[in-house]
Amino acid sequence: GDSVTQMEGPVTLSEEAFLTINCTYTATGYPSLFWYVQYPGEGLQLLLKATKADDKGSNKGFEATYRKETTSFHLEKGSVQVSDSAVYFCALSEVGAQKLVFGQGTRLTINP
Amino acid sequence: GAGVSQSPSNKVTEKGKDVELRCDPISGHTALYWYRQSLGQGLEFLIYFQGNSAPDKSGLPSDRFSAERTGGSVSTLTIQRTQQEDSAVYLCASSQDRAGTDTQYFGPGTRLTVL
Repeated sequence: GDSVTQMEGPVTLSEEAFLTINCTYTATGYPSLFWYVQYPGEGLQLLLKATKADDKGSNKGFEATYRKETTSFHLEKGSVQVSDSAVYFCALSEVGAQKLVFGQGTRLTINP
Repeated sequence: GAGVSQSPSNKVTEKGKDVELRCDPISGHTALYWYRQSLGQGLEFLIYFQGNSAPDKSGLPSDRFSAERTGGSVSTLTIQRTQQEDSAVYLCASSQDRAGTDTQYFGPGTRLTVL
């Protein structure tokens, strides 16, 4: 079945550092790909998404590019802030199957 | 506008009791989803409702779990004869569901603790 694998956490960085959180997927078709974020004490919210190969999703300085050839959707940010501390989830949904399949989540802590 | 709301926010129950969790989706959203977030299993899909179609129950872990959606709006997830392994945060989400690319908006969750 479909699955998503994220890099193991937790990840701790200093403010203004470059961030990459790796995400790879296995799917039978051509899924849509998502990054969701869960800030402390808050609910899950969509950070960005991409619906077809080579699409780039971006939001709040974060970017991820849908790479079909490597089945990846890595999350990047050039300069992280303390306010980016959260748990990040990579997810996919297959066309015609609306449920989201999530990775295990990566806890990110940014120190000032 | 109002987001997805869930109640109660916390529920503590004794093993063997039944519990009901409620979800109010965003007005106008035709699709509603239940997920479970637990330490051991991460975020797992449970069930999906779309309009008047038969729900996709493929994620329900056992026949102790059931859900209904009345009038195409509010949904209730029921867990019968709760077990300690049912302890988790139960998340509800809704979307316009025009296609699988539609954004799912999540509620704050109900934290269930089974003693």
